[in-house]
Amino acid sequence: ELKVEQNPLFLSMQEGKNYTIYCNYSTTSDRLYWYRQDPGKSLESLFVLLSNGAVKQEGRLMASLDTKARLSTLHITAAVHDLSATYFCAVSVPNTGNQFYFGTGTSLTVIP
Amino acid sequence: ETGVTQSPTHLIKTRGQQVTLRCSSQSGHNTVSWYQQALGQGPQFIFQYYREEENGRGNFPPRFSGLQFPNYSSELNVNALELDDSALYLCASSLYGPYEQYFGPGTRLTVT
Repeated sequence: ELKVEQNPLFLSMQEGKNYTIYCNYSTTSDRLYWYRQDPGKSLESLFVLLSNGAVKQEGRLMASLDTKARLSTLHITAAVHDLSATYFCAVSVPNTGNQFYFGTGTSLTVIP
Repeated sequence: ETGVTQSPTHLIKTRGQQVTLRCSSQSGHNTVSWYQQALGQGPQFIFQYYREEENGRGNFPPRFSGLQFPNYSSELNVNALELDDSALYLCASSLYGPYEQYFGPGTRLTVT
């Protein structure tokens, strides 16, 4: 059974601090996606990581992918309150027409 | 270019009833995937439709069924509703293959 695990599940951090969210997955895949979800809202795409060693940055967020370790990270730099949301990673399963399997989510609260 | 739309936005049903949720894919996309997101959980893959046929299914019982129409829009039908079916139902559209999925705003289903 495919498993996608994130940690931590809950993260409370002060503004200005740095932190990393981890996403581990149990199947071979070279495609990983990060999404953001605000309460009661749908999923907003943040990053698409398509190969081993891929690194992408947007503002205070940076995502990376290590397909050999089956690990992706989402690094937050100098957090601000607007980053408070739930973050999900999702793995695309090969040879399945691109079915996505999501992690458990990390609920981030940035405290002013 | 129009995004992914879903209807209705909210729905309340009674246990044992049947429900139909609708999704219009983003212009140019030929694949629709459906996900169930229970409160506090990550989205769970239900099934995917491509060329009007089911192209993969997650761990959901047969009372969850779907359709895709020639214009690539899709329906999700759930029979014999159970309390545990209460969730946010998300559809996502994409091109067929290893491409990013774009999510609609979701339908919030409450079963009483």
